[in-house]
Amino acid sequence: AQSVAQPEDQVNVAEGNPLTVKCTYSVSGNPYLFWYVQYPNRGLQFLLKYITGDNLVKGSYGFEAEFNKSQTSFHLKKPSALVSDSALYFCAVRDPRGTYKYIFGTGTRLKVLA
Amino acid sequence: GAGVSQSPSNKVTEKGKDVELRCDPISGHTALYWYRQSLGQGLEFLIYFQGNSAPDKSGLPSDRFSAERTGGSVSTLTIQRTQQEDSAVYLCASSFAGVNEQFFGPGTRLTVL
Repeated sequence: AQSVAQPEDQVNVAEGNPLTVKCTYSVSGNPYLFWYVQYPNRGLQFLLKYITGDNLVKGSYGFEAEFNKSQTSFHLKKPSALVSDSALYFCAVRDPRGTYKYIFGTGTRLKVLA
Repeated sequence: GAGVSQSPSNKVTEKGKDVELRCDPISGHTALYWYRQSLGQGLEFLIYFQGNSAPDKSGLPSDRFSAERTGGSVSTLTIQRTQQEDSAVYLCASSFAGVNEQFFGPGTRLTVL
């Protein structure tokens, strides 16, 4: 069965420092992987996705993520954090073989300190 | 705006009553998803529509939950005989067919007393 884990409930980082939000997954075969962000009082917004191809995926707002098949990870990164990046981040996975079901992680709250 | 809309935004109901939640997807989006978000939990997949058909209903938690979609557009999620554990935020998302980004609505917060 497919699953996704976000091991950190909260990540704190100082403004201007690099940030990483971790995600690991369990899918038999090659997964489809996504990151979404939920700002306070706003709906979830798409950041980026990995389907195939280059392992480094660039997305919205300067975020990127690296697909690592051997470690079954898809960590979200940004070189320099902004206070406005403070939000709830969700990783999601879909098994491409015969299912339309997306499995979301429990979310990681990112707090960027000024 | 042309985003996904959901109604009502909040719904308070008594245990045992039926509720209907509505989702208006973005025009032209053939794929529609329903999720449930409980406090401290991730998004729980409920059902997927492609057009008016639902090829994946695997996430519906019980037979009290049902959903339909008409005209390839509006969808309603119905919960019969609500229970307190049904209290959550119900999210709808739509997308173009294929593996594309989902656009989420603001959600309906359901409280069952």
